[in-house]
Amino acid sequence: AQRVTQPEKLLSVFKGAPVELKCNYSYSGSPELFWYVQYSRQRLQLLLRHISRESIKGFTADLNKGETSFHLKKPFAQEEDSAMYYCALRDRGNTPLVFGKGTRLSVIA
Amino acid sequence: GAVVSQHPSWVICKSGTSVKIECRSLDFQATTMFWYRQFPKQSLMLMATSNEGSKATYEQGVEKDKFLINHASLTLSTLTVTSAHPEDSSFYICSAQVALAGSEQFFGPGTRLTVL
Repeated sequence: AQRVTQPEKLLSVFKGAPVELKCNYSYSGSPELFWYVQYSRQRLQLLLRHISRESIKGFTADLNKGETSFHLKKPFAQEEDSAMYYCALRDRGNTPLVFGKGTRLSVIA
Repeated sequence: GAVVSQHPSWVICKSGTSVKIECRSLDFQATTMFWYRQFPKQSLMLMATSNEGSKATYEQGVEKDKFLINHASLTLSTLTVTSAHPEDSSFYICSAQVALAGSEQFFGPGTRLTVL
């Protein structure tokens, strides 16, 4: 069965400190992995997808198939990064997303 | 990016009544729409997958007679909560995507339902 695990419900860091939001997954095939972000009172929006291999707002995420992980990283956290972050996966194609429980990132000035 | 709207953004109803929530793709044609439910401080739980012109596919444990989904056009899907009860109170979110393989899902802002 598909499963996405985000072990931290809340992560607090100081402004300028590095950030790593953990995500592990369980899936037998070759899934697509995503990070979604939800800022306060806004809708869910795509932050990163592993097939793009790009950096958005300073965030990067590398798919590690050996460890079945897709951790989200940023070298220097900013206050505006404070939000709810969800890791998600789906099978190739247009199948539904499976979400982790989310991690609330709080960046302290 | 593409925009998905939901209406209403919030609704309060009495127990036993039915409530309809609309999900619209404003600037693209969505062959597939998904309906999620989110409890406070919890993740999104997929309820059903809706393809235009065909019956929705419900996830295990979701009552299809309770949560009626209609996807009559490429820009509109509706979720009707029938005979609502307080335990149906939740945040309902839809997302939409085009048929192209690997395409992005775009999310609506959600609808908060409170059943008294």
